[in-house]
Amino acid sequence: RKEVEQDPGPFNVPEGATVAFNCTYSNSASQSFFWYRQDCRKEPKLLMSVYSSGNEDGRFTAQLNRASQYISLLIRDSKLSDSATYLCVVTGDGGSQGNLIFGKGTKLSVKP
Amino acid sequence: GAGVSQSPSNKVTEKGKDVELRCDPISGHTALYWYRQRLGQGLEFLIYFQGNSAPDKSGLPSDRFSAERTGESVSTLTIQRTQQEDSAVYLCASSLAGFEQYFGPGTRLTVT
Repeated sequence: RKEVEQDPGPFNVPEGATVAFNCTYSNSASQSFFWYRQDCRKEPKLLMSVYSSGNEDGRFTAQLNRASQYISLLIRDSKLSDSATYLCVVTGDGGSQGNLIFGKGTKLSVKP
Repeated sequence: GAGVSQSPSNKVTEKGKDVELRCDPISGHTALYWYRQRLGQGLEFLIYFQGNSAPDKSGLPSDRFSAERTGESVSTLTIQRTQQEDSAVYLCASSLAGFEQYFGPGTRLTVT
């Protein structure tokens, strides 16, 4: 099983739609979780951290389910500018890859 | 404050030549990472430095790849005898260990 798995998409949605991405991780000992956003031909940028209690930042909501080992990202009222690849990031087991494991990303395309 | 910087931003080299890529992390960040990203692909971990500990080199694809970092400052990634399959964007990131990473803009390497 891959350490961090994401549906690669693409998710093609109209403006204003609500879209959700899931990410599953294999290491039950993981402690920190993040969502990054990567625009085409740009570097990844932190979108938000994911807290145990769930957290919201404007139109974006992140949730963590430790029992099922998955993280979700919900985007409400999608904008054209939300089009990007969304990367799920999970801490590893303390040594591998600097303790941060990146998923391969889910591509979102928001259409007018 | 200043973010992560990388140089050069673009590098075109002939097959068989050596190249050196540079990364200046955010001041105070103890952890530094190198990734490779081929066109349309996810991030591929290469190497991780944490303070004065021995680096995690588990992602280096061959002995043609090496990296150095002096203390908690600049890092260089060296690729010897470049091959066409080395063509990619090389991304550097820094962080306080175990926390969110901040990426530089990358170096786009093209091997002809």
